[in-house]
Amino acid sequence: GENVEQHPSTLSVQEGDSAVIKCTYSDSASNYFPWYKQELGKGPQLIIDIRSNVGEKKDQRIAVTLNKTAKHFSLHITETQPEDSAVYFCAARERFGAGTRLTVKP
Amino acid sequence: KAGVTQTPRYLIKTRGQQVTLSCSPISGHRSVSWYQQTPGQGLQFLFEYFSETQRNKGNFPGRFSGRQFSNSRSEMNVSTLELGDSALYLCASSLDIVNYQNTQYFGPGTRLTVL
Repeated sequence: GENVEQHPSTLSVQEGDSAVIKCTYSDSASNYFPWYKQELGKGPQLIIDIRSNVGEKKDQRIAVTLNKTAKHFSLHITETQPEDSAVYFCAARERFGAGTRLTVKP
Repeated sequence: KAGVTQTPRYLIKTRGQQVTLSCSPISGHRSVSWYQQTPGQGLQFLFEYFSETQRNKGNFPGRFSGRQFSNSRSEMNVSTLELGDSALYLCASSLDIVNYQNTQYFGPGTRLTVL
């Protein structure tokens, strides 16, 4: 089955800085990689996703890159804002990473 | 479109009791998945239903069961509750999750506390 590892578990940045979260997966058959943001008291919300036929996808301040050969994908948030503070999860198939708690300091 | 709804939002039970949680998917979505979220274990997959059939199951004991109705609404049941079952139970719906290619949309979850 699939196994997903996510790093780091916590990340603290200054407002305006960039944040990068990395995930690795094990099943080469996985072909869809979403990222979710979870705020306190809410369910995870999709923020961006990427399919295996694409190496990079960008949506305003958020981007995701995928390296199929190395089986890893990363979330990049630029110009971070305090409202970006939340827990972020990556996923492959039914497996989720352990989550990264991002804190953006004003 | 209305999002995924889950009822109840909060539940307190005692050990040995059983509980039923409900999930209404986004209109038109036929796949419903259930996850357990705890601080220690993170988000763990319970099972996935499509067209009233369980297609995939995670590594949970038989005390955890579910079903899906013809209108795609789903319920999950936990029997003989244990303290370790305290968690946030999340439901997610998708058009179809074959090969996990489609986006899943999560509900707000049901917070279950077992005393």
